[in-house]
Formats: sequence, structure tokens, C-alpha cells
Amino acid sequence: NAGVTQTPKFQVLKTGQSMTLQCAQDMNHEYMSWYRQDPGMGLRLIHYSVGAGITDQGEVPNGYNVSRSTTEDFPLRLLSAAPSQTSVYFCASSYSRGGNAFFGQGTRLTVV
Amino acid sequence: AQSVTQPDIHITVSEGASLELRCNYSYGATPYLFWYVQSPGQGLQLLLKYFSGDTLVQGIKGFEAEFKRSQSSFNLRKPSVHWSDAAEYFCAVGGVPGGGADGLTFGKGTHLIIQP
Repeated sequence: NAGVTQTPKFQVLKTGQSMTLQCAQDMNHEYMSWYRQDPGMGLRLIHYSVGAGITDQGEVPNGYNVSRSTTEDFPLRLLSAAPSQTSVYFCASSYSRGGNAFFGQGTRLTVV
Repeated sequence: AQSVTQPDIHITVSEGASLELRCNYSYGATPYLFWYVQSPGQGLQLLLKYFSGDTLVQGIKGFEAEFKRSQSSFNLRKPSVHWSDAAEYFCAVGGVPGGGADGLTFGKGTHLIIQP
């Protein structure tokens, strides 16, 4: 099983560019979420979804958009990249609310 | 809103010695509690979780954690550490409104260094 797959693994953007971070899971999990990890800050929730068509904001949603058209995919869009969005981004999924969250390997994003 | 505190940013332990990593949470009810481990350049792997019942939870890789409601704590322990345990450890809270695996609240992490 592939689990949670994130693409790309590395990305460099210029300020103002937009891009989409991809996340796919093959475990038929209803719950998916996006986190960013910054040094000394732990992981902070950006957006999450409790099922196809349902999304909500987390702790740090500004500058990011999400949609959930299928159970498998949960892309994260950066609308206009800023240096403050330089971070490592993790996607996670779980079968149930409060269940074991499976994490992807992360996307390291640098905005210059 | 819930919060998670890991008071130790770095901990150094000799190989073979015992380990305890501290975690305190702030929430009115008992949330779901998790410990994750992150090796360099890797994603997060679940070590163990507590939902209810027995307050001493066994996890993978020889780790255990004890939930203490009176102290709002969920400390991670291992009787004898191995060099391969060197990693970043995160305590997390979930299963609360706006939280859960659809939204975990993480502590800032404890970096574990193993001395030979």
C-alpha cells in the first residue's frame, strides 16, 4: 500500500507565484489534513477535511486554499507565494476522527 | 482552544539509559492523546495513542506512556534507549471540537540525542 503520497518532495517558488501541493491516499480515509512544520514550532494545522466536499480552516489558513472533490485527493493551493510560506508541508489522513493519522513524507517548499 | 506543552526542547541520554519525555495538555475534557516520532527528513510515525481505559499505554519500539488526568500529562517512557531512537518526538492532542485526526494540535517537539 502506498499510504499517503505527497508531490512534489521539493519545490522552489518565486514570490507571487502560485502552485498546488498534491496529496493522495489509498486507504479510503474520510479525514485528511494539511500541516506546516517550522523550526521550533511543531506542526500547525492549515486546513482539514472530514469528507469529500467538506473542508474547514485550521490554525494558520491564510494564503492557502483547499478543496476535496474525491475521497482520495486533498490538494493544497498557494495563491500568491510569500517568503513566510517557506516551510515543510505534511498531509495526513485517518479513518476516523481521532484515529491514527498517517502522514506523507512531506514537501519542502522554499519561497525566494 | 487546546494546547500542548513539551517543556524540554532537547534531551540527551546515554545509550542503554532510561528515557522520559514530558507532555502536558490544556483542555477541559480528556482529549485523545498521541505521541509521534519523526526521524530526520521523514514524515511522522505514530508511537502510541490514548483514548480511554487503561492509563498506561504500550506502543511500538518498546515505548509506553502514562496518562495522568490530575496532572494533565501524558509522558512518554522507554526503559532502555537505543542509538536508533535519536529523533524528534511530538506529543499531540486530538478528538476535540475542531481537532481530532482531522486536526491535531502538536507540541513543539523534543529533540532526543543519544550519547554512545
